[in-house]
Order: sequence, then C-alpha cells, then structure tokens
Amino acid sequence: SQELEQSPQSLIVQEGKNLTINCTSSKTLYGLYWYKQKYGEGLIFLMMLQKGGEEKSHEKITAKLDEKKQQSSLHITASQPSHAGIYLCGAHSGTYKYIFGTGTRLKVLA
Amino acid sequence: DVKVTQSSRYLVKRTGEKVFLECVQDMDHENMFWYRQDPGLGLRLIYFSYDVKMKEKGDIPEGYSVSREKKERFSLILESASTNQTSMYLCASSFMGGRKGIGYTFGSGTRLTVV
Repeated sequence: SQELEQSPQSLIVQEGKNLTINCTSSKTLYGLYWYKQKYGEGLIFLMMLQKGGEEKSHEKITAKLDEKKQQSSLHITASQPSHAGIYLCGAHSGTYKYIFGTGTRLKVLA
Repeated sequence: DVKVTQSSRYLVKRTGEKVFLECVQDMDHENMFWYRQDPGLGLRLIYFSYDVKMKEKGDIPEGYSVSREKKERFSLILESASTNQTSMYLCASSFMGGRKGIGYTFGSGTRLTVV
C-alpha cells in the first residue's frame, strides 16, 4: 500500500529563516496536496500539485513536485510566527481513498 | 465563511455512552470522511461515504458506525464510548475523484475525551 513519509517530524526555526519540509511517496503520485493545521484545529488546504516538475506558490510558501512524481517539498521563505503549525501532505490512493503523511510540526521563534 | 461544520469543538463523555459527532458541509460535495488524529499516528480514516446512504469502512472502523441520510450531513457514532477513543476527530468532504483540484475541506475538529 502507498505511504507518505514526511521529514523532518518537527522543526524549530528563528523568525526570518527559510525552511523546507519534504514528503516522499512509496509510489508515483497522481496528485499531491499540502495542508496546514493550526494546533487543535482542522486542516486548511494550501495547494495541489499534479504534474512532474510543477511548482506553485502562495504568499511565502512554495511547493514543488519532482519529475518522477514521488517527492514533494514545501519551502517557506522568511518564516513568521504565523507560519507555525503542522504541515501535512496528502495524496489519493485509489478512487476514494486518501492518505496523509505523518506531519511536520513547525515552530517559529519570534 | 465556514463550509464544513462540526457540531462540537470539545466533548467529554463517560465510558459506555453512545456518542454522536455531527458534520455538515454546504459545498454539495459527494464524498465525506471521518478521521481521527492521534499524536505519533497521524490521521487515520475511520469511515467514508461517497453518496447518500452509502458508507465504506476505512482503516480503523471498529467501535464506530456512520450515517449519511442527506448529502450534506455525515454522522459518526461511537456505539459505546471507551477511553481509547479519546482523540481529535476530523470531518472532511471533497468532490468525487478530487475534481476541481482543491483537495479536501476539513472541519475544525472535535476533541473528544472519554472518561
């Protein structure tokens, strides 16, 4: 069965620093989604990547999907305390099923 | 503008009680899902539904049941609550087959504590 592995599991950075979170799939991805979860709340959809080599940006967050479509990275430029939370990658696994990575906890120190 | 609404943010129930968690979406999504989220285990799918009155077991259905009588509402039922069901419960909905490319829309979650 397909699995999504995220790294690192947790990250603490100083405000203003750049950071990268990775999501690696055991199988080819046919749609990779990134979500953010504030502590104790639901998940918020950030962006979706479908094509190999695709890159999308939203404000200071950029996500890329590699050419082989098995790995995605999420890059935050000049991090702010508002970026803190849990970042999860998700992907379709079958017609209805959906899987999630284990998440990366990000803390940004002011 | 809230699109997936879970009826309670926090809930405390006693062991053995029957517990109902309600989820309502207003986006006309075909698919609805219930997940539980636990530290170190990530999100695990309990049940999902791809149409009214249709339901499918996810990865951890034991101890749970669901009901979808209307397209917009998906209820999770804990038949007899136990302490190991203490968790964060997340409801989500989506269009069929991930169309429109907007992924899942999640509710704010219900933190259930069974004492």
